[in-house]
Amino acid sequence: AQTVTQSQPEMSVQEAETVTLSCTYDTSESNYYLFWYKQPPSRQMILVIRQEAYKQQNATENRFSVNFQKAAKSFSLKISDSQLGDTAMYFCAFMRGGYGGSQGNLIFGKGTKLSVKP
Amino acid sequence: EAGVAQSPRYKIIEKRQSVAFWCNPISGHATLYWYQQILGQGPKLLIQFQNNGVVDDSQLPKDRFSAERLKGVDSTLKIQPAKLEDSAVYLCASSLGRAFSYNEQFFGPGTRLTVL
Repeated sequence: AQTVTQSQPEMSVQEAETVTLSCTYDTSESNYYLFWYKQPPSRQMILVIRQEAYKQQNATENRFSVNFQKAAKSFSLKISDSQLGDTAMYFCAFMRGGYGGSQGNLIFGKGTKLSVKP
Repeated sequence: EAGVAQSPRYKIIEKRQSVAFWCNPISGHATLYWYQQILGQGPKLLIQFQNNGVVDDSQLPKDRFSAERLKGVDSTLKIQPAKLEDSAVYLCASSLGRAFSYNEQFFGPGTRLTVL
């Protein structure tokens, strides 16, 4: 069974600074995806960034980047130039790869509550 | 493009009552998911549909929870009878469900259920 662990229940950062959220996972699968989702107080789960396990290059989306260490099963999220709108719960998630409907569901960690302070 | 719609947004019931949630996925999305998110935790899959067939319901408490997706579009999730531990946010998500490719899941705003 796959597990996702986020060891930081809460974090805070000053506006414009950089913060890194940690995530580790466990799986015996070779084909999988890793994700970071953002959930603001409105509860809408929003995809921040995705990483395919077969890709060695770390994914980047504007101010968001990941450090994917496959051997260590580590997947951290770096947020640069933090903004007040980044305040939210952040969830690390795993999904088994596959085809179409057999792609598998998302397995989430418990989340990290990030507060960006002005 | 309209997103995933869910209703109601909030529901408060007494234990042992029944409740139903509705989800309308993004048009054309073949795969539909129901997740349960208990306060302080990440979402957990309850059931996954591909069109109107069930792909995975291994974590659905079938003695009290049921779900259907008639005609492969809208879906309803029902709890009967509700227990205190069912208090949670119920999230619906959908994806294109294309074979041989990655399919992003899009989430609805969720329904917050409080069981008293």
